[in-house]
Amino acid sequence: NAGVTQTPKFQVLKTGQSMTLQCAQDMNHEYMSWYRQDPGMGLRLIHYSVGAGITDQGEVPNGYNVSRSTTEDFPLRLLSAAPSQTSVYFCASYRGGDTEAFFGQGTRLTVV
Amino acid sequence: AQSVTQLDSHVSVSEGTPVLLRCNYSSSYSPSLFWYVQHPNKGLQLLLKYTSAATLVKGINGFEAEFKKSETSFHLTKPSAHMSDAAEYFCVVTLTQGAQKLVFGQGTRLTINP
Repeated sequence: NAGVTQTPKFQVLKTGQSMTLQCAQDMNHEYMSWYRQDPGMGLRLIHYSVGAGITDQGEVPNGYNVSRSTTEDFPLRLLSAAPSQTSVYFCASYRGGDTEAFFGQGTRLTVV
Repeated sequence: AQSVTQLDSHVSVSEGTPVLLRCNYSSSYSPSLFWYVQHPNKGLQLLLKYTSAATLVKGINGFEAEFKKSETSFHLTKPSAHMSDAAEYFCVVTLTQGAQKLVFGQGTRLTINP
């Protein structure tokens, strides 16, 4: 099983550029989430989805867009990159309840 | 709404001594609670989870956590630290019903001294 596949692993963007971080899971999980990890702040929730066609904002949604057209895919779009978006991004998928969440390997994004 | 507070941002212990990483949670409903570990430049791995079946939960690599509802705590312990335990540890809460967002604590960096 591939689990959660997150691409790319590294990316450098110029301020104002846009890009999409890809996340795919093959476990038929309902729930998928995007987090950013910054030193001393843990993982903060950007957006999450409770199923295909249903998304909602998390703690830090500004500057990011998501959609969930299929159960498997949950891409994260940066509309106009800013240096404040320099971070490590993680995608997670889980079945819900007390089941384990599975995480991608992360994307280290630098905005210059 | 649910939230998690990890009471120590950094814990340093000597190899062979006990480890205690503290976590307090807030939740309107019955929570599910987890501890995840992240080794340097790696992804996140599940250590253990609270499922309401037992208040004392055993996880991988000798870690345990005890759910105390009266104290709203879910502290992580290990009797004897090993060098390979050096990592960042996250306490996570989610609800067992409704929109099941995973909410992370700020993380505790565990350093093991030889």
